[in-house]
Amino acid sequence: QEQLVESGGGLVKPGGSLRLSCAASGFSFSGYFMTWIRQAPGKGLEWVSYISGTSGYIHYADSVKGRFTISRDDAKNSLYLQMNSLRAEDTAVYYCARDSGGNYLFDPWGQGTLVTVSS
Amino acid sequence: DIQMTQSPSSLSASVGDRVTITCRASQYISNYLNWYQQKPGKAPKVLIHAASSLQSGVPSRFSGSGSGTDFNLTISSLQPEDLATYYCQQSYTTPPLTFGGGTKVEIK
Repeated sequence: QEQLVESGGGLVKPGGSLRLSCAASGFSFSGYFMTWIRQAPGKGLEWVSYISGTSGYIHYADSVKGRFTISRDDAKNSLYLQMNSLRAEDTAVYYCARDSGGNYLFDPWGQGTLVTVSS
Repeated sequence: DIQMTQSPSSLSASVGDRVTITCRASQYISNYLNWYQQKPGKAPKVLIHAASSLQSGVPSRFSGSGSGTDFNLTISSLQPEDLATYYCQQSYTTPPLTFGGGTKVEIK
């Protein structure tokens, strides 16, 4: 079945870096926009970034612009999020999700990976 | 940026009750409105897309309505498994994509 599995989360100090991965299976990964969405502990959902199937269309939330980089490797059916200059406010569960029809409807989602930024 | 405001932020209702959650956009978004359900400890999943279209596999007790700036998600007969937080999301103007703050539904 269609599945997304995130990895790479963990504890990192403020100012540090982390790279998240999202492995896709059960569908033709290269044809879909993909996105990262995060959720701070006990809070709501915040869109972080998305990337088109050709990687030619990339956007970021203002809160992460200049610090985070989204990328994909279609040969490996994988999505990535390189996070630099991490701050305490970046602490969240990070979900990857597929744009199911090119209309910003996200389905499915991965199970999420927790990033904790703390000294 | 388009702001999405949900109300109430939480509610408690009995099994069998009709429950309505409201989502209001800060500007016109036509029907570019999706609803997600997030059960405790789980990832969100789609319930409704394009304001009123039921996602495949979602029980028919869920329905969506509205257009323009005001939208509703209705659960016609609340079930114990509907314990969750519900989010609206606009896709009319991007970036950024924006979500409502969520409505936590509890069972009395």
